[in-house]
Amino acid sequence: AAGVIQSPRHLIKEKRETATLKCYPIPRHDTVYWYQQGPGQDPQFLISFYEKMQSDKGSIPDRFSAQQFSDYHSELNMSSLELGDSALYFCASSLDYRQNTEAFFGQGTRLTVV
Amino acid sequence: GNSVTQMEGPVTLSEEAFLTINCTYTATGYPSLFWYVQYPGEGLQLLLKATKADDKGSNKGFEATYRKETTSFHLEKGSVQVSDSAVYFCALSLMTTDSWGKLQFGAGTQVVVTP
Repeated sequence: AAGVIQSPRHLIKEKRETATLKCYPIPRHDTVYWYQQGPGQDPQFLISFYEKMQSDKGSIPDRFSAQQFSDYHSELNMSSLELGDSALYFCASSLDYRQNTEAFFGQGTRLTVV
Repeated sequence: GNSVTQMEGPVTLSEEAFLTINCTYTATGYPSLFWYVQYPGEGLQLLLKATKADDKGSNKGFEATYRKETTSFHLEKGSVQVSDSAVYFCALSLMTTDSWGKLQFGAGTQVVVTP
């Protein structure tokens, strides 16, 4: 069965650079969530989209932005990277968040800022 | 606010031992409850879930019962294997106007099973 695809799996950037993380949800899933997991931490919710519109926002820095495209894939753009942005970034997708259906997670993108 | 509290790890067990990981929650409303597992270097996988009080979620020998009276969702397995070594996250989600299905995770409990 198709799963949530995230790319790239690993990314190394220098401070003050920009990074773009991509997420391809499971086919027919219309809701995408982004989470950030710091070393030894639990995942923290960043932002979510439903039908290409932002549906909820968590502790996402102003330096970060995200969007969901017409094919439902989503991109998380991170600018002016800081060392503290080094983390595992997860994307999850679900079918119609209003039904509180199960969210399926991708394998994550490990971002290292040096 | 909503929160999840789970027992700290690491929890070290011998193979075939009984595993319990405690999880309690605080929520305004009636959340759905989940256990996710994260194997080393991998993403989060849903282990089991329960959507209402007294529901029991079960999968791969793991079980957890949604206890509204004690606001708990403890994870249990009767006989662990080395392959169960992982980090286990308890989580909740609510369908409210300020929490549309996003997951609130506990801090995670690392489980180490030795042969």
